[in-house]
Amino acid sequence: EAGVAQSPRYKIIEKRQSVAFWCNPISGHATLYWYQQILGQGPKLLIQFQNNGVVDDSQLPKDRFSAERLKGVDSTLKIQPAKLEDSAVYLCASSLDGLAGEQYFGPGTRLTVT
Amino acid sequence: AQSVAQPEDQVKVAEGNPLTVKCTYSVSGNPYLFWYVQYPNRGLQFLLKYITGDNLVKGSYGFEAEFNKSQTSFHLKKPSALVSDSALYFCAVRFYSSASKIIFGSGTRLSIRP
Repeated sequence: EAGVAQSPRYKIIEKRQSVAFWCNPISGHATLYWYQQILGQGPKLLIQFQNNGVVDDSQLPKDRFSAERLKGVDSTLKIQPAKLEDSAVYLCASSLDGLAGEQYFGPGTRLTVT
Repeated sequence: AQSVAQPEDQVKVAEGNPLTVKCTYSVSGNPYLFWYVQYPNRGLQFLLKYITGDNLVKGSYGFEAEFNKSQTSFHLKKPSALVSDSALYFCAVRFYSSASKIIFGSGTRLSIRP
């Protein structure tokens, strides 16, 4: 069974530029998550999708971050414009069950904003 | 406020000795509790979860965790540590508050010395 795929693995941009991350979840997983993990901290949930609907985006900085999951499969997370404090690893995860199911994580995208 | 605490940034244990990684939480309602592990240069992996039923749950790699409702804790344990258990461990709590939400702890670095 293929795991969660993410791209790119690394990205370096200057502040005020835009960037997009892509995630392909495990086949059949209805729930998809995007997390931000700053060095030395635990993952912070940015947004959770159930199929193509948003379940929770309470911690997504909506003035600069956006995410979509068209057709309920792949998802993209965008930052525009980026700030220095956005430097982090962005993790995508998926699960069969959005409540009790364990999550399967992708390798992450390490973003550096200079 | 809903929260998860991993009070120890680092735990050091000698190989062959028992280990405990602590997690406490403060959430409303009945939580679902998870442990994940992050090995160096690898993504987060699911270890075990408590949903309901027996308070002692067993997971991957010989780990187990005990749910204690009165102490609001979910400590991770292993009877005999291996050097290969050295990694970063995260406790996560899922709860329902108008929508399903999840919070990760800040992580505990486990170091097993030969």
